[in-house]
Amino acid sequence: EAQVTQNPRYLITVTGKKLTVTCSQNMNHEYMSWYRQDPGLGLRQIYYSMNVEVTDKGDVPEGYKVSRKEKRNFPLILESPSPNQTSLYFCASSFGAGSSSEQFFGPGTRLTVL
Amino acid sequence: QQQVKQSPQSLIVQKGGISIINCAYENTAFDYFPWYQQFPGKGPALLIAIRPDVSEKKEGRFTISFNKSAKQFSLHIMDSQPGDSATYFCAARAGDKIIFGKGTRLHILP
Repeated sequence: EAQVTQNPRYLITVTGKKLTVTCSQNMNHEYMSWYRQDPGLGLRQIYYSMNVEVTDKGDVPEGYKVSRKEKRNFPLILESPSPNQTSLYFCASSFGAGSSSEQFFGPGTRLTVL
Repeated sequence: QQQVKQSPQSLIVQKGGISIINCAYENTAFDYFPWYQQFPGKGPALLIAIRPDVSEKKEGRFTISFNKSAKQFSLHIMDSQPGDSATYFCAARAGDKIIFGKGTRLHILP
């Protein structure tokens, strides 16, 4: 089944404790992206990647890191999480960045930083 | 200039009625306008999309109307059903950048 998977689905952590949220897709997509969803703010792009070893900042990259060492994986790293990073996070992928490329979203990771 | 403004924030419609959600943008570089549907506990999923070279696209009960001169586009859901209750996001894309609206929570009364 074609899908985007994220792990963990739920995470509660404390301020300053490094964490990684994994994202993997099995559709051989080149483009991958991370979003955060907050009430009243919609979906905001954190980082995206056009291909292996190619990443770029989205609209809200502060406090986050990403890497793209393999085509299928695009982990999101919070080196020192803070309470304002409490949010619902989505990973997405598409064949390319072209205007007609449908993005497929993962199921989401709900992160709480205490 | 990068914003996509979506309204209303929430919408209640009777079963069988027409649901209308509006979006506006400023950046004329946007060349692809998708709408996503999100159910509670799920990720967004593409519902319907349009390019600015057409003024309307219809797929079943869902229609996008696009007004290029006004830089506005809207989603119309005809014969709205309780199963359409979800959050809807409009978006605008230019190359590798995609900007989402803030979402509309739609509730269809049975």
